[in-house]
Amino acid sequence: GAVVSQHPSWVICKSGTSVKIECRSLDFQATTMFWYRQFPKQSLMLMATSNEGSKATYEQGVEKDKFLINHASLTLSTLTVTSAHPEDSSFYICSATPPGQLEKLFFGSGTQLSVL
Amino acid sequence: DAKTTQPTSMDCAEGRAANLPCNHSTISGNEYVYWYRQIHSQGPQYIIHGLKNNETNEMASLIITEDRKSSTLILPHATLRDTAVYYCIVRAGYSGGGADGLTFGKGTHLIIQP
Repeated sequence: GAVVSQHPSWVICKSGTSVKIECRSLDFQATTMFWYRQFPKQSLMLMATSNEGSKATYEQGVEKDKFLINHASLTLSTLTVTSAHPEDSSFYICSATPPGQLEKLFFGSGTQLSVL
Repeated sequence: DAKTTQPTSMDCAEGRAANLPCNHSTISGNEYVYWYRQIHSQGPQYIIHGLKNNETNEMASLIITEDRKSSTLILPHATLRDTAVYYCIVRAGYSGGGADGLTFGKGTHLIIQP
């Protein structure tokens, strides 16, 4: 199956700093990637849709200025959590769909963010 | 997308078949049933999907009732590594307009007992 790589797996940062998370499609090109957030013991919540070469589409209630998404190439999307605060501590997961398999989503392994 | 209802948790003995039910009584004619699972602290993994016919792959079987209002995911010989949260998701089929993100419910926490 298609491989989606996410980096880093976990990150600890101080409150007020920014953190960048990378999502790469290793063996396919993805014009669209998706970013999710998951709090402990809760389900995944779609945050935004990342579109290669254009602006991301954010779900209602997600602050676009706080969660910056850049999809500069067909294999890389980045999520930057700006001025992180403890309430931003969460598990962030990206996903992508290979051309020809648009009915399936392949997910990265996730990034656990802890803001102190 | 139609709403789904799943039991919160289930236990199954190792080596036995695990049958996970899902109710989707408001499913529309163009909506598929998808199953994903999430092992603790990992990203979700695609398992199987179907429209109205039963489906089988190397991971599982999907049985959809004739009226399509419910379905069952079957893991034929459960192992300890199958312990995970299983999500049943109903969504419209890909229509050529581009990929869509999935909406996850709370899923079923399946615990395989040794």
